[in-house]
Amino acid sequence: AQRVTQPEKLLSVFKGAPVELKCNYSYSGSPELFWYVQYSRQRLQLLLRHISRESIKGFTADLNKGETSFHLKKPFAQEEDSAMYYCAQTQGGSEKLVFGKGTKLTVNP
Amino acid sequence: DVKVTQSSRYLVKRTGEKVFLECVQDMDHENMFWYRQDPGLGLRLIYFSYDVKMKEKGDIPEGYSVSREKKERFSLILESASTNQTSMYLCATQSNYGYTFGSGTRLTVV
Repeated sequence: AQRVTQPEKLLSVFKGAPVELKCNYSYSGSPELFWYVQYSRQRLQLLLRHISRESIKGFTADLNKGETSFHLKKPFAQEEDSAMYYCAQTQGGSEKLVFGKGTKLTVNP
Repeated sequence: DVKVTQSSRYLVKRTGEKVFLECVQDMDHENMFWYRQDPGLGLRLIYFSYDVKMKEKGDIPEGYSVSREKKERFSLILESASTNQTSMYLCATQSNYGYTFGSGTRLTVV
């Protein structure tokens, strides 16, 4: 079964510092990868997907097939980025998403 | 915007009760999903449905069943609630752009 690994449960940075949330996947084919975010008291929402190759709220993520990674990066973290972040991938051609366990990001003033 | 509505934000039920969690979407999406979200465990798929009356087990279906009689409504049923089913339950639908989630139902079984 495919697995998504987010090695950090908690990540704390200061405002203005760079931030990187790590994600590794296990599927050897051509996965679709996503980052979802959940701000306090809000519903889980899509942040970005690798197919779009876009930057959302200053975040980017590059798919590295050699390292099977899809790390989320932002050069200058803001306090409003504090949230729970989940990496997810489609499961072997099906529509199902497999999620990592999540990383809680705290950006300190 | 797609709306995914979960009827209850908070529920408290007794052990052994039959519990129904309702989810309604307004965008005619075929695929709907039920996940539970637990700290340190992330989101785990319970059941999903890709059409009316069609359902498939996810990774943790034990103790749960689902019903999809109409395209817009996907219900999760706890046949006999137990304390280890205390959790946040999230419903989602799927479009070409990804999943849209409901706001969740926090269920406490006492």
